Amino acid sequence: GQNIDQPTEMTATEGAIVQINCTYQTSGFNGLFWYQQHAGEAPTFLSYNVLDGLEEKGRFSSFLSRSKGYSYLLLKELQMKDSASYLCAAMDSNYQLIWGAGTKLIIKP
Amino acid sequence: GAVVSQHPSRVICKSGTSVKIECRSLDFQATTMFWYRQFPKQSLMLMATSNEGSKATYEQGVEKDKFLINHASLTLSTLTVTSAHPEDSSFYICSARRRDYEQYFGPGTRLTVT
Repeated sequence: GQNIDQPTEMTATEGAIVQINCTYQTSGFNGLFWYQQHAGEAPTFLSYNVLDGLEEKGRFSSFLSRSKGYSYLLLKELQMKDSASYLCAAMDSNYQLIWGAGTKLIIKP
Repeated sequence: GAVVSQHPSRVICKSGTSVKIECRSLDFQATTMFWYRQFPKQSLMLMATSNEGSKATYEQGVEKDKFLINHASLTLSTLTVTSAHPEDSSFYICSARRRDYEQYFGPGTRLTVT
């Protein structure tokens, strides 16, 4: 079956670095997405990886290992506004997104 | 950019009535649109995939006679919740696919059924 696993909740300190892991199993693979979702709002796109390696975009970076079925989202210089849920989603061979349950990130001062 | 709008953003209706939610891709044509439902503190749940000009494909457990989807044009898909009940209260989000891997979300519609 198809499955996405990510931690339910993480806590980090303002100014620090946090890594949110995601493992996936899908029928075929057309890329791995990370979305940010603030409470009461729709998800917003953060990153897309289809090749192995690290993609850096400002304070956020995303890594993919296709052989391991593994990705992580790295957030640097954490700010209070980064408190949100982070959704990992893998695109299968039909270009359908398979969603993880999301990781709620709590930032403490 | 790629913008997707939803209307209304919030709606309160009485039990037994029907509610229509519109999803529009404003600056691109979307052959495929998706409808999701999200309950508090839970992840997105795909309800159905809507292809322009054809019948929607519903996920297992989603009642197609209750959640009517019409994808009449390349920029508009509608979801109608018929005979709404309090358990249908949720956050409904649409997304539109521009190219194979590009999917853009609307801002969501908060439905409350009293």
